[in-house]
Amino acid sequence: ETGVTQSPTHLIKTRGQQVTLRCSSQSGHNTVSWYQQALGQGPQFIFQYYREEENGRGNFPPRFSGLQFPNYSSELNVNALELDDSALYLCASSPGGSSYNSPLHFGNGTRLTVT
Amino acid sequence: AQTVTQSQPEMSVQEAETVTLSCTYDTSESDYYLFWYKQPPSRQMILVIRQEAYKQQNATENRFSVNFQKAAKSFSLKISDSQLGDAAMYFCAYRSLNAGGTSYGKLTFGQGTILTVHP
Repeated sequence: ETGVTQSPTHLIKTRGQQVTLRCSSQSGHNTVSWYQQALGQGPQFIFQYYREEENGRGNFPPRFSGLQFPNYSSELNVNALELDDSALYLCASSPGGSSYNSPLHFGNGTRLTVT
Repeated sequence: AQTVTQSQPEMSVQEAETVTLSCTYDTSESDYYLFWYKQPPSRQMILVIRQEAYKQQNATENRFSVNFQKAAKSFSLKISDSQLGDAAMYFCAYRSLNAGGTSYGKLTFGQGTILTVHP
């Protein structure tokens, strides 16, 4: 069973640029969610994708957007990068359906640095 | 909106001893799930233990157990026989059941507790 994989591992961007982060969900999981984790803090929910549709969003501006593909992999796009966007971005997958009992399975994250 | 609070930024324990990490949460919901995740330096969040709010019995997983006090909205994690590999950042997390499918992937996390294990 393949776990959640994220790419790239690290990324350095300049303020104002755009970035795309990628995530492959665990086999059999159709729900992908993204989190932003600032240094020394707990992860903050950005949004969730279920069967290629965004169906849940946290308190993040529209310049944070995403996609989910038919194979349930996902992308997180951030436009007009700001210094405060520097963080660890975590992707998590879950079976969805009625699986509230199922925990989220997380990837190792992408460390984004904005200079 | 739900909030999760971990009041201990750092804790330390001697190898083989027992340590308890605290977590409180605020919610108006009656049904929900609570989780403890561990995040080692590798950065990957690893599930430690989960608790369904409708179950009065405290969850246990080998050396890990919880003390779930629903009325007090408290969910502490006890680690027995601590091992060097337990050293990590520990996060308490809440999952709502009242938002339909939109809550499958949404966890509300606390600020975390760094656990150091001394040999």
